[in-house]
Amino acid sequence: QKEVEQNSGPLSVPEGAIASLNCTYSDRVSQSFFWYRQYSGKSPELIMSIYSNGDKEDGRFTAQLNKASQYVSLLIRDSQPSDSATYLCAVNLLNQAGTALIFGKGTTLSVSS
Amino acid sequence: EAGVTQFPSHSVIEKGQTVTLRCDPISGHDNLYWYRRVMGKEIKFLLHFVKESKQDESGMPNNRFLAERTGGTYSTLKVQPAELEDSGVYFCASSQRGRPYEQYFGPGTRLTVT
Repeated sequence: QKEVEQNSGPLSVPEGAIASLNCTYSDRVSQSFFWYRQYSGKSPELIMSIYSNGDKEDGRFTAQLNKASQYVSLLIRDSQPSDSATYLCAVNLLNQAGTALIFGKGTTLSVSS
Repeated sequence: EAGVTQFPSHSVIEKGQTVTLRCDPISGHDNLYWYRRVMGKEIKFLLHFVKESKQDESGMPNNRFLAERTGGTYSTLKVQPAELEDSGVYFCASSQRGRPYEQYFGPGTRLTVT
């Protein structure tokens, strides 16, 4: 079983809709969860971090964490064409020494105007 | 505040040659990480420095890869001799001492070995 799994997409949504991106992870005791946004040819940009169960909101972005079900999601409200990018889920697994992040392959989001 | 910078942005070398990649972390960030993304795969961890010390190098693929961080500032990653499977994008990331998991990435160096 892969450690961090994401649907590669592409996920296509119309402008103004809610985009929902999902991520599952294998290590039940993982503690730290992150969403990165990566535009084509650019660096991954940290957009959200979440450490405890529940929702965390930041502007149009909401991260949701459910440790019992081992998934973390990212909701993007009022999606804009500028949100079109690849979204990477990353976790820190407690069964791995150190503070390295484990990444999923990413989900490509396309927002059409 | 300047972000993480990497040089070069792109390098094309022949199999058997040597390449050195450089990373300048965000000023004041003690933690420096190297990651690599091979085409079609996820970003994978290579190693982690805390200041000038190697904290974790469990992701280094083999002894053809040598990383250094002299003086705890910039870091270099040397591949010698390069093999075809070393092709990919090499990312550097840095984070503050008290917030190691919130890592900020550089633009990456795209390495092509022919």
